[in-house]
Amino acid sequence: NAGVTQTPKFQVLKTGQSMTLQCAQDMNHEYMSWYRQDPGMGLRLIHYSVGAGITDQGEVPNGYNVSRSTTEDFPLRLLSAAPSQTSVYFCASSPGTSGRRGELFFGEGSRLTVL
Amino acid sequence: AQSVTQLGSHVSVSEGALVLLRCNYSSSVPPYLFWYVQYPNQGLQLLLKYTSAATLVKGINGFEAEFKKSETSFHLTKPSAHMSDAAEYFCAVSLTSYDKVIFGPGTSLSVIP
Repeated sequence: NAGVTQTPKFQVLKTGQSMTLQCAQDMNHEYMSWYRQDPGMGLRLIHYSVGAGITDQGEVPNGYNVSRSTTEDFPLRLLSAAPSQTSVYFCASSPGTSGRRGELFFGEGSRLTVL
Repeated sequence: AQSVTQLGSHVSVSEGALVLLRCNYSSSVPPYLFWYVQYPNQGLQLLLKYTSAATLVKGINGFEAEFKKSETSFHLTKPSAHMSDAAEYFCAVSLTSYDKVIFGPGTSLSVIP
């Protein structure tokens, strides 16, 4: 079982460059989300989606875009990378059913460095 | 807005000793509460969750947590620490009808042989 797959695992960017972090899940989960993890700050929610065609902002959305054209994929776009976006990014999905609300399945993370 | 605080960014215990990791939440209504664990260089995985069915919740690997509404707390415990318990532990909360989960800052647990 693949679960939640993130690519790339590592990326180095220069300030001002753009890139897309890919996230795919094969569990038919309705809910998907992106977090960034920084030392001492835990995980902060960037954007989330409750189904194909529906996205919303989380706690720290500035500088990031998302789209959800299919149930399986939820890419995160950095429009113009800044050093403050150096972080480890995690994609997560959840069944979204009432009995399993909040049960997030995480990818292995993407470590991004912006120079 | 809902939020989570975790007292102690780092906790050290001896192997075999009690593990106690503290979590407090701020919410005007009873939320869904979770504990997640992150082993080095891995994503997070769910340890346990509270959904109002019972105040004492048992999770994987011998961990349990007790919901105390009067104290707005959801502390994580394990009677006897094992070396394999060394990891980062995150308390999290969700209020909405969807799965928007907000995480605390985390507590790093070290287990001393």
